[in-house]
Amino acid sequence: DGGITQSPKYLFRKEGQNVTLSCEQNLNHDAMYWYRQDPGQGLRLIYYSQIVNDFQKGDIAEGYSVSREKKESFPLTVTSAQKNPTAFYLCASSIGAGRGETQYFGPGTRLLVL
Amino acid sequence: GDSVTQMEGPVTLSEEAFLTINCTYTATGYPSLFWYVQYPGEGLQLLLKATKADDKGSNKGFEATYRKETTSFHLEKGSVQVSDSAVYFCALSITQGGSEKLVFGKGMKLTVNP
Repeated sequence: DGGITQSPKYLFRKEGQNVTLSCEQNLNHDAMYWYRQDPGQGLRLIYYSQIVNDFQKGDIAEGYSVSREKKESFPLTVTSAQKNPTAFYLCASSIGAGRGETQYFGPGTRLLVL
Repeated sequence: GDSVTQMEGPVTLSEEAFLTINCTYTATGYPSLFWYVQYPGEGLQLLLKATKADDKGSNKGFEATYRKETTSFHLEKGSVQVSDSAVYFCALSITQGGSEKLVFGKGMKLTVNP
């Protein structure tokens, strides 16, 4: 089945630690996205990538980093510079980044700080 | 800037009740409009979309019409079921940096009781 997988489902971070969230898609989509979801705040865009080896900052990129070395993979690293990382992280992809393109979402990773 | 305002709830309805979730937007140009649904513990799923004025999106008994004159995209369903219990997000897509990005409302939690 085609889709987007995110792992792990739950992730725990210690103070000062970097952690990496995985996102893989087998939909052959060019564009991929990372969002952060906090209670009562909807989703906010962290980073997005239109094509392999290229990515841009979203609205809340500080304290996060990404890479896009393969079309199917778009991992997100939450660095120690992100002071409030506890949230639900959602990865999405779309065929392209054109007008009206539907974004398809993964099941999410919940990050908790110990 | 571009933004989406939607009813935040939470809302509790009885099965077979009529549902309306209001959504209005502010945008330059002509955005595409979306409704996404999030079931407990899961990622987001596209419910319906509309890409131009007067378009009606529909799916699973839900409907929404793109009203340019009132900048609205209200979601309606004539008879809700317990399985419709979820969080509903209204979103618009905007062109920024040469690609389309989604801007989400804060979401509305719906609970349907038998």
